[in-house]
Amino acid sequence: GAGVSQSPSNKVTEKGKDVELRCDPISGHTALYWYRQSLGQGLEFLIYFQGNSAPDKSGLPSDRFSAERTGGSVSTLTIQRTQQEDSAVYLCASSLGGLAGVGQFFGPGTRLTVL
Amino acid sequence: AQTVTQSQPEMSVQEAETVTLSCTYDTSESDYYLFWYKQPPSRQMILVIRQEAYKQQNATENRFSVNFQKAAKSFSLKISDSQLGDAAMYFCAYRSAYVRFGAGTRLTVKP
Repeated sequence: GAGVSQSPSNKVTEKGKDVELRCDPISGHTALYWYRQSLGQGLEFLIYFQGNSAPDKSGLPSDRFSAERTGGSVSTLTIQRTQQEDSAVYLCASSLGGLAGVGQFFGPGTRLTVL
Repeated sequence: AQTVTQSQPEMSVQEAETVTLSCTYDTSESDYYLFWYKQPPSRQMILVIRQEAYKQQNATENRFSVNFQKAAKSFSLKISDSQLGDAAMYFCAYRSAYVRFGAGTRLTVKP
């Protein structure tokens, strides 16, 4: 597609359940980022993939959060045993060449609500 | 659909001078928020300034100020007395029920 896509656009789950959020970056973009924006807070960096390098996981808030990127393209963010504080909009972005690339292109986000 | 456009992929400014980063957006909503974020090489996104659409007064945070033109759907960021530490990617963002980001502007500060 022409832009970054994310699915689902909305996800409502019960506390304690696992969820998977998907990101399809722009074709050819080697860098992929996950962020989240909680209500009333700024944007929080979660994880960064660049090509075949080991991902930068420094922003993951707990070991319940994990992400993988298969074949250097699609990425899945998994949250295990969801908690109410996990409710947020989860954003994916991609770019050319990591930080050297000019411009990150953001997806529309997945709104996660944990009841 | 809401879209956010940053027409300047790269900008450069001399230390101590002023630079303005542009941002326009498209929306049919009347109630929303606008943000400018800074992303230094550490990749952490730092909130620089926010503006509530219902407020006519332009937001200001120290050396950072915005020129919010609601009718024109324009939200530019002015950085005064630029410092070397201001060098970063800057993202304009729109938020109502959803979040939309611009593609970013890379700001270089020359000593």
